[in-house]
Formats: sequence, C-alpha cells, structure tokens
Amino acid sequence: GDSVTQMEGPVTLSEEAFLTINCTYTATGYPSLFWYVQYPGEGLQLLLKATKADDKGSNKGFEATYRKETTSFHLEKGSVQVSDSAVYFCALSDLIQGAQKLVFGQGTRLTINP
Amino acid sequence: NAGVTQTPKFQVLKTGQSMTLQCAQDMNHNSMYWYRQDPGMGLRLIYYSASEGTTDKGEVPNGYNVSRLNKREFSLRLESAAPSQTSVYFCASREPPGQAWHFGNGTRLTVT
Repeated sequence: GDSVTQMEGPVTLSEEAFLTINCTYTATGYPSLFWYVQYPGEGLQLLLKATKADDKGSNKGFEATYRKETTSFHLEKGSVQVSDSAVYFCALSDLIQGAQKLVFGQGTRLTINP
Repeated sequence: NAGVTQTPKFQVLKTGQSMTLQCAQDMNHNSMYWYRQDPGMGLRLIYYSASEGTTDKGEVPNGYNVSRLNKREFSLRLESAAPSQTSVYFCASREPPGQAWHFGNGTRLTVT
C-alpha cells in the first residue's frame, strides 16, 4: 500500500544553516505530494505541494521537487530562521480503495537555535 | 473565513465515558476526514466521508463511530473511551480539484 517515509528527527540547526528533510514515498497510483507544517500548539498548515513529476513546490523560502525516478520529495531551505522551528510532515494524496486519501510520514521535529 | 472548526480544544475523560468531537467546515467541500496524531506515528486516518450521506473506515477505526450530519458537519464519537485513545484528533476537509486538505486546530483528548 501507499506509504511515506521521512528523515528521523529531531533535527537541530543554527540560524542561517541550510536545511534538508528527506522524504520518500511508495504509491500504487500517481500521487500528489505535500509538505505540511505544524507550529507548537497549532493545527497543520499546507506549506507547499506538487502534483506531477518534476514540479517544484515553493513557499516561504522552502522548496521541494517531485522526483518520480527516485520517489522522493525532499524539503529544502537555504537559510533557516528561529521562526521555522516546528514539526514538518511529508504526505501524499492518492486514490486508495476507491477514495482520495492523504497518507502522512511520521513527522520531523525541527528546532532552530539563534 | 473560519475554514475548519473543531470543538472542544481540550477534553479529559475517564475510561468508559463517551463523548463526541465536533467538526464543521464552511468551504462547501464534499470530502471530510478524521485523523489522530500520536508521537512518532504521524497522522493516521480514522474515518472519512467522501460526500454527504456516506462514511467509510480508515486505517484505525476501532472504538470510533462517525456521523456526517450534513455537508458542513462531520462528528466523531467515542462510545466507551480507553486510555489508548489518548491522542490529538484532527478534522480535515478536501478541496478539489487541487486536492489541498484543510485542517482544524485539533482536539487534545486525554483518557485516564
């Protein structure tokens, strides 16, 4: 079945460091891919998405490219800020057993130190 | 512009008690979902409703029931709460055709 595997956390970086959070997926169909972010005490917010191979999603300085050949959707940011501290979830949307469903990775907790 | 609204935000139950988590969306979406979030496990699908009048089981439905009251509202009921149901519960609705899911702010439930 469909699944998403994320880089294990927690991840701790210094401000202005380069960030990569790895995400790979397994899917029976042709999924759309998402990154969601959860700030402390809040719900999930869509950070970026990509709906087909080679699409690049971007938002707030974060980027991720849909790589079908490696079944990956790694999240990157060139210079992180303290305000980026949050939990990041990679997810895929696919038609599973006749219904559109969103399948999540386990989440990666990111802490940015000043 | 409320989006997805969940109530309550926090709840403490004793084992065996029942409760209903409420969810409403004002975006006219057909599909709605209930997830639970546990540490190190991401979010797992409990139940979903592809359209008004239909509901189906997700990955972890045991111990839960749902009602799609109308297009706006999708409630989750725990008939006899167990400590294993201690979790954060999220409701979501899906926006076609871009498939973006919109999430509520969650209900933190503790069962003692």
